[in-house]
Amino acid sequence: SQQGEEDPQALSIQEGENATMNCSYKTSINNLQWYRQNSGRGLVHLILIRSNEREKHSGRLRVTLDTSKKSSSLLITASRAADTASYFCATDGSSASKIIFGSGTRLSIRP
Amino acid sequence: AAGVIQSPRHLIKEKRETATLKCYPIPRHDTVYWYQQGPGQDPQFLISFYEKMQSDKGSIPDRFSAQQFSDYHSELNMSSLELGDSALYFCASSFGTSGTHEQFFGPGTRLTVL
Repeated sequence: SQQGEEDPQALSIQEGENATMNCSYKTSINNLQWYRQNSGRGLVHLILIRSNEREKHSGRLRVTLDTSKKSSSLLITASRAADTASYFCATDGSSASKIIFGSGTRLSIRP
Repeated sequence: AAGVIQSPRHLIKEKRETATLKCYPIPRHDTVYWYQQGPGQDPQFLISFYEKMQSDKGSIPDRFSAQQFSDYHSELNMSSLELGDSALYFCASSFGTSGTHEQFFGPGTRLTVL
């Protein structure tokens, strides 16, 4: 990936458990965004965290950002079958007019 | 709420043909971005426009061109199609550039080149 690397590449958990995905990036950023993509479908924006923020919540989602380590994490609590999807982090990198996606984490929720 | 509209949703073309993909941004959004996502790959940035001017360029082949019109919709023109052009093509829009504003993605156009 040009900018972000995601860890793990694939994650399978039991319904009701929490899922944590990590993202690392290389250049300085203005913000970092997380997206969800169901197989072969469009990208759904989940949350945006700015470089001066350290943590952000949205429903069952919790995102953290550590600019000193150039990393972010996405926590999904109380997972549901509908959370099964690929999750991408995306940063604006060195340019404010585009975003660069990480390689994504494939999350599978077992019923 | 209105979302980004892309047309067509599916397109099948032969090698060496041309294709035109259209994107209609969310009302009042002035910035449009194009991304290409190959099978099993992450989306790759192609090109973006802000206020009808190209604002950034990524890994867009010379065979492709794009523009943003006065009503802010955008078209991606693809010529001399190759098998490797088969992919999902996403358009996204934002108000202002991505540095401060989130991008909203359309459902994508799935292009298949035979």
